[in-house]
Amino acid sequence: AQTVTQSQPEMSVQEAETVTLSCTYDTSENNYYLFWYKQPPSRQMILVIRQEAYKQQNATENRFSVNFQKAAKSFSLKISDSQLGDTAMYFCAFTPVTSNTGKLIFGQGTTLQVKP
Amino acid sequence: NAGVTQTPKFQVLKTGQSMTLQCAQDMNHEYMSWYRQDPGMGLRLIHYSVGAGITDQGEVPNGYNVSRSTTEDFPLRLLSAAPSQTSVYFCASSYHRGTNEKLFFGSGTQLSVL
Repeated sequence: AQTVTQSQPEMSVQEAETVTLSCTYDTSENNYYLFWYKQPPSRQMILVIRQEAYKQQNATENRFSVNFQKAAKSFSLKISDSQLGDTAMYFCAFTPVTSNTGKLIFGQGTTLQVKP
Repeated sequence: NAGVTQTPKFQVLKTGQSMTLQCAQDMNHEYMSWYRQDPGMGLRLIHYSVGAGITDQGEVPNGYNVSRSTTEDFPLRLLSAAPSQTSVYFCASSYHRGTNEKLFFGSGTQLSVL
């Protein structure tokens, strides 16, 4: 079975500091895609960053970057210079290239609070 | 572009009632899907469609029906609501079933079944 695990239900960080959210996944697939989604209190799902498993270089999007460790099946999200607007629930998600359903497999989510 | 539009945003049902959650997209996306979000479980796929007239089951399809008569619309029907269907429902779409493509989400429907 393919699973995604986020072991930190809640985290907090001071404004302007750096925080890392953890994600591990389990799959026998070799080619797949990994995502981090942000869900603010508005409930809207917002794609933060995307990583293709065949690329060794870690993806970055402005203040957001990932640490992708394929052998360890780990995909953590680092948020630098945290801002109050980063307060949200963050979901890690995975999908194999061979998927016929287009299904994203989501982790349980991590609630991040940025404190002023 | 409005993107993905879901209605209603909130709904309260009594056990046994039926209802339809509406989803429409104006981006000419081929692929549309429905997820439910439950605390501690993330989002799980209910049904999906790869084009008009084509639908299939996802991970948790029981108690739900879908149809895709047009490219734009993908309604989700609850035939006989149960308390276990209390959840937040998201419709999502993308150009293709491509797994590296951005999935556009609607704003969600919070459903309570009493």
